[in-house]
Amino acid sequence: GESVGLHLPTLSVQEGDNSIINCAYSNSASDYFIWYKQESGKGPQFIIDIRSNMDKRQGQRVTVLLNKTVKHLSLQIAATQPGDSAVYFCAETGSSNTGKLIFGQGTTLQVKP
Amino acid sequence: ETGVTQTPRHLVMGMTNKKSLKCEQHLGHNAMYWYKQSAKKPLELMFVYNFKEQTENNSVPSRFSPECPNSSHLFLHLHTLQPEDSALYLCASSPSAGLAGFKLFFGEGSRLTVL
Repeated sequence: GESVGLHLPTLSVQEGDNSIINCAYSNSASDYFIWYKQESGKGPQFIIDIRSNMDKRQGQRVTVLLNKTVKHLSLQIAATQPGDSAVYFCAETGSSNTGKLIFGQGTTLQVKP
Repeated sequence: ETGVTQTPRHLVMGMTNKKSLKCEQHLGHNAMYWYKQSAKKPLELMFVYNFKEQTENNSVPSRFSPECPNSSHLFLHLHTLQPEDSALYLCASSPSAGLAGFKLFFGEGSRLTVL
C-alpha cells in the first residue's frame, strides 16, 4: 500500500537554531506534496506545498526540499521560535488525482528556550 | 481565527447514544471532508463531499453517517459507536475536490470519547 513516513517522531531544537523535519514517501507517482502544522488543540494548518517538477520552494522562514530520486521530502524552518512547537505532517497525493491526500504520522517539534 | 467551525469541541457518549457533529465553513468552498485522527496514527480520510454530493466513502462503518445539506455545512451522525471510535474528528474544506482539493482548510476538531 501507499504510505508516507517521517523519520523521527520527535525533534527537539534550541530556540534560534534551524530545524529540519524529514519525510519519506513511497509512491513515485505522487506529483504534489504538502506540509501541515498542527498546534496543540487545533486543526492542521497548511504551511507550504511543492510540485514534483520542483526540487525546492521557499516560504517565510520555511523551505521545502524534494528529492525524487530517493523519494524524500524535508521541511526546513529557519531560526526556530517557540511558536513553531507543533506536530508537523507531510502529505502526498499518491497515485490518484481525486483530491485524496495521504498523510504521514507526524513529527513533534519541541523548541527549547 | 478559522474559516471552518466545528461543534461541539468535546463530546462524551455512551455506546447506545445517538449524537451528531457539525461543521460549517465560511470560505466559499465547494468540497468538505471528514477526517479521523487517532493517537499515533496518520490522519484517516473518511468522507468527501463535492458540491453536496458524496464522492468518497473510505470504507467507513455504517455507524458513521455523513450529511451535507449544502456546500457550507457538513454533519457526521453517530450511533452505536464503539470505544475504539474515540478520536479527534476533523472537518476540512477546499475550493473543490480533485486537483484543487489538496490544500485543505481544517477546523479545530471535535474530540469524541465513547464510553
